Amino acid sequence: GAGVSQSPSNKVTEKGKDVELRCDPISGHTALYWYRQRLGQGLEFLIYFQGNSAPDKSGLPSDRFSAERTGESVSTLTIQRTQQEDSAVYLCASSLVSGAGNQPQHFGDGTRLSIL
Amino acid sequence: QKEVEQDPGPLSVPEGAIVSLNCTYSNSAFQYFMWYRQYSRKGPELLMYTYSSGNKEDGRFTAQVDKSSKYISLFIRDSQPSDSATYLCAMSEDSGYNKLIFGAGTRLAVHP
Repeated sequence: GAGVSQSPSNKVTEKGKDVELRCDPISGHTALYWYRQRLGQGLEFLIYFQGNSAPDKSGLPSDRFSAERTGESVSTLTIQRTQQEDSAVYLCASSLVSGAGNQPQHFGDGTRLSIL
Repeated sequence: QKEVEQDPGPLSVPEGAIVSLNCTYSNSAFQYFMWYRQYSRKGPELLMYTYSSGNKEDGRFTAQVDKSSKYISLFIRDSQPSDSATYLCAMSEDSGYNKLIFGAGTRLAVHP
């Protein structure tokens, strides 16, 4: 498929453990976004990557959260020392960037993270 | 106060009804307005996109933006059971689609 791919689709872990979530964007999409969606709530922006520019990390809720992206490919979101309030769906999106600006964001189906 | 307010519903309507979904916002700098549809356990998909004030129509869907009132709407005509989903409004200050601010989403159920 040509869509945004996220793995794992579900993750259950114990409080205090580290977790790593993966996002494979659509080929050719230089912009990549991570969002968090808590139950019954809208999407909350976490971090934005665009090409080789410094990422916009302004949405990361604490220093336990970090993300990396190598070039214009895969991104990983890492949560260290997980807490129960980290339980949520983590969504990744990617988009093309053109002369008219960023184009529509295409979303993956997310990783459902549950912290016991 | 949240930047974007959206009634979570649920909203239940009979097949064929006209559905009206709405969001209000507080940030007057928002210029780009979007509606996403999200089926259960799936990622959001873009339905409509508008810039500044005005109307936009696409098939059974019409998006309206009233910047003076800080109010946006999505109308669905001839609603179908397949329209049953959560509808999220989103908006942005920047050109394009950076750093979207989302409403909480409205759950819609269209029953046959």
